[in-house]
Amino acid sequence: QVHLVESGGGLVKPGGSLRLSCAASGFTFSDYYMSWIRQAPGKGLEWVSYISTSGYTVYYADSVRGRFTISRDNAKNSLFLQMNSLRAEDTAVYYCAREIAAARRELDYWGQGTLVTVSS
Amino acid sequence: QSALTQPASVSGSPGQSITISCTGSSSDVGSYNYVSWYQQHPDKAPKLIIYDVAKRPSGVSNRFSGSKSGNTASLTISGLQAEDEADYYCCSYEGSSTFGVFGGGTKLTVL
Repeated sequence: QVHLVESGGGLVKPGGSLRLSCAASGFTFSDYYMSWIRQAPGKGLEWVSYISTSGYTVYYADSVRGRFTISRDNAKNSLFLQMNSLRAEDTAVYYCAREIAAARRELDYWGQGTLVTVSS
Repeated sequence: QSALTQPASVSGSPGQSITISCTGSSSDVGSYNYVSWYQQHPDKAPKLIIYDVAKRPSGVSNRFSGSKSGNTASLTISGLQAEDEADYYCCSYEGSSTFGVFGGGTKLTVL
């Protein structure tokens, strides 16, 4: 069955960096667009970034563009989110998720999430 | 990247039906049939319950149904059960950016 497991979250100071990882299993990873979604404490869902099957096409929310970089390693069935220049408002649970079909922005499987806390 | 508009809360008694609206614009809900709905219980990951406006993934109860009219999508839950109490989020493909945009979420209380 499809399984997505995020890791790499933790406590970081403002201005710091973190790299999130998402290990995928149970499906042909290279066939699917993947995304990162975040949820600040007590708040709603926010789409952070998506990446195409090859990694050639990526897109970012205005709130993270220029600071975050999404990437993937299809040989290792892994998705990544490099987060630089972190701010307090980046504090959230970060989910990786699989798109049900290319370029529809509909997510059929989600990981359990990893908490990122940005605080001094 | 403006959020879709959902009511903050809705409620209903067991056995009743409720509908949650999700209003967007001609750039998203109004022009694309890529509207999805997610159910999220406390401290859990969201779960897809509706995609392509009205399709249900395998394993999702047929008590959940979706529809769309103009710029507004709707989720209807019939025969409310206690376990339906959760937060519900709509999401749409947004054409000008190719991004996905979520609604603010609706808290469903089963009385």
